[in-house]
Amino acid sequence: GAVVSQHPSWVICKSGTSVKIECRSLDFQATTMFWYRQFPKQSLMLMATSNEGSKATYEQGVEKDKFLINHASLTLSTLTVTSAHPEDSSFYICSARDTGALGAEAFFGQGTRLTVV
Amino acid sequence: RKEVEQDPGPFNVPEGATVAFNCTYSNSASQSFFWYRQDCRKEPKLLMSVYSSGNEDGRFTAQLNRASQYISLLIRDSKLSDSATYLCVVVANTGGFKTIFGAGTRLFVKA
Repeated sequence: GAVVSQHPSWVICKSGTSVKIECRSLDFQATTMFWYRQFPKQSLMLMATSNEGSKATYEQGVEKDKFLINHASLTLSTLTVTSAHPEDSSFYICSARDTGALGAEAFFGQGTRLTVV
Repeated sequence: RKEVEQDPGPFNVPEGATVAFNCTYSNSASQSFFWYRQDCRKEPKLLMSVYSSGNEDGRFTAQLNRASQYISLLIRDSKLSDSATYLCVVVANTGGFKTIFGAGTRLFVKA
């Protein structure tokens, strides 16, 4: 089946630094990818929709200048958490669906556990 | 109102029990529906798609009622390994396809 690879799987960083997370669709093209955040014992919350070749669409309450999204190709989207703070510590997951395939399931990356100290 | 709402849970059931999860969605233009399973600290994985005609996969049965904007998942003969969080997922065309997750319902199956 289709695979989405996310890297890194975990990262620990100091407050004030930036962290980049990559999401790749390995055997299909995805003009749109999605970035989610999940705090402990809570559901996945959509942060933003990453659009290939154009600006990302952010959900209400998500700071676009803090969570930079780049979707430069049909198989790669990146999320950069800038000037990270301890409250940004969370589980970040990306997902992608095969472009234009109505009814297709969403495939998820393995997730990135970010800890800001 | 949340776009996708699920039973709050958690559900605590003995092995062999039948358990039903319910889900409602608010966007009548929603087009695709799924149940995902998420184990602790792991990414969600597709359990099954949901169709208006209803579909069954072994012990799992999913139903969709578009008129009521309601989705259900029935698990028969629960196993210990069924313990997980079950997420109701809806894909809506809101000027681009967007995947929305319900908050999830935690299931604990006990021996």
